[in-house]
Amino acid sequence: GAGVSQTPSNKVTEKGKYVELRCDPISGHTALYWYRQSLGQGPEFLIYFQGTGAADDSGLPNDRFFAVRPEGSVSTLKIQRTERGDSAVYLCASSWTGNTEAFFGQGTRLTVV
Amino acid sequence: EDKVVQSPLSLVVHEGDTVTLNCSYEVTNFRSLLWYKQEKKAPTFLFMLTSSGIEKKSGRLSSILDKKELFSILNITATQTGDSAVYLCAVEARVETSYDKVIFGPGTSLSVIP
Repeated sequence: GAGVSQTPSNKVTEKGKYVELRCDPISGHTALYWYRQSLGQGPEFLIYFQGTGAADDSGLPNDRFFAVRPEGSVSTLKIQRTERGDSAVYLCASSWTGNTEAFFGQGTRLTVV
Repeated sequence: EDKVVQSPLSLVVHEGDTVTLNCSYEVTNFRSLLWYKQEKKAPTFLFMLTSSGIEKKSGRLSSILDKKELFSILNITATQTGDSAVYLCAVEARVETSYDKVIFGPGTSLSVIP
C-alpha cells in the first residue's frame, strides 16, 4: 500500500474487554514496530517484528499484551482484560529492514472506559 | 538505561520568531539521532543525523548533532502557525546486527500564535 494503515482509527471499549488493533505495513517492509503513546509523552516501544517473528518484545508491559504477524505482513496487537491505563494512541511503523527509516501509521486511539 | 531528554517540554511563540529545541541523550551503541514532527497522530520524519557538526537543513528547519556532548538542536526560523506540533527527538541504538532500537524523547509541544 501507499503508506502504513492502522484500523480502527478510534476504539472505545469497556474495562475488562478484549481488543485487537490492526496494522497494514507498507508492502515489502520486513520490519514492523508497535509503539504506545500516552498524552504528553513520546512513543514508547512495545514490540518489533522482523518478518513473522517477534525479534524484540521487551516493551510489552505485561502478559495482557500480545502481538502477531503470521504471514510477515499484517500485524495485530491484542490486549486482553483492558484497563483504563491502557488508554493511549497505539502507533505502528514499518521499514525495509530493522535499520532503515521507519514510516508511521496514523495510529489507533484506544479509550478504555 | 537508555534515555532521551527534550527541552523545553512546551513552548509558545509568535509568528516570525525563531525557536531552538533541545535534545540530549544517553544510549549504548548510538547509531543515529532522528527528529520527527507530530501533528494529530502520525510522526513524520524530518531529519536523520549521524555525524557531529554537519548541519542538516530543510527550508526553515535545520538541525545539528554533537556526539561528544550527546545533544542535538532543532532550529526553526520565521515560524508559522503551521509549525505548531509536537517535535519528537529519537535515538537509534544498535541492539543486534540487523536491528536498531528507537528510543523517543517526550517531545516538545510548540504552539505558534499569529
